[in-house]
Amino acid sequence: NAGVTQTPKFRILKIGQSMTLQCTQDMNHNYMYWYRQDPGMGLKLIYYSVGAGITDKGEVPNGYNVSRSTTEDFPLRLELAAPSQTSVYFCATSPGGWAETQYFGPGTRLLVL
Amino acid sequence: KNEVEQSPQNLTAQEGEFITINCSYSVGISALHWLQQHPGGGIVSLFMLSSGKKKHGRLIATINIQEKHSSLHITASHPRDSAVYICAVRGSGDKLTFGTGTRLAVRP
Repeated sequence: NAGVTQTPKFRILKIGQSMTLQCTQDMNHNYMYWYRQDPGMGLKLIYYSVGAGITDKGEVPNGYNVSRSTTEDFPLRLELAAPSQTSVYFCATSPGGWAETQYFGPGTRLLVL
Repeated sequence: KNEVEQSPQNLTAQEGEFITINCSYSVGISALHWLQQHPGGGIVSLFMLSSGKKKHGRLIATINIQEKHSSLHITASHPRDSAVYICAVRGSGDKLTFGTGTRLAVRP
């Protein structure tokens, strides 16, 4: 099993460009999460999903969108990239909810110039 | 004041030393997580606990709910333990609040 995979590993964007960060899991977990990690800061929740077709905002959702059409995939969309979105993005999953261990992907490093 | 405070921020130890990393939080919680972030960036969950103590190999995690404090201990430290250790708490809103991490370097 691959677990949680994220693509790309690293990307440079120009201000105003858009991109989609991909997250795929093969563990059949219902819950999926997107976090961002800024230097010297704790992980911040961007969006989460409790199952296919259901998504909700986290702590820092502005500038991002998500969709969850299947159990396996939870892409994160940046529509108009801004320098403030320079960060490392982690996707995570858990089997059935917040009370369970979260499994993290390897991360995507994004630089917006 | 951050909801989750970790200390120390940075820690250097010699191989074989006993290591303690602390986590204090300011809100009522239902569970506390300890995670390890490898030098390459990957994050793995080490422990989830809501009371008492858990042990896995050379790692021990304890929590004191009344004092709102948790510790992560590493016995017989090894250079491969070098990583960032992150504390996260799950409060009444269910979502996790993360600390900023403790960067540990174990020298051979």
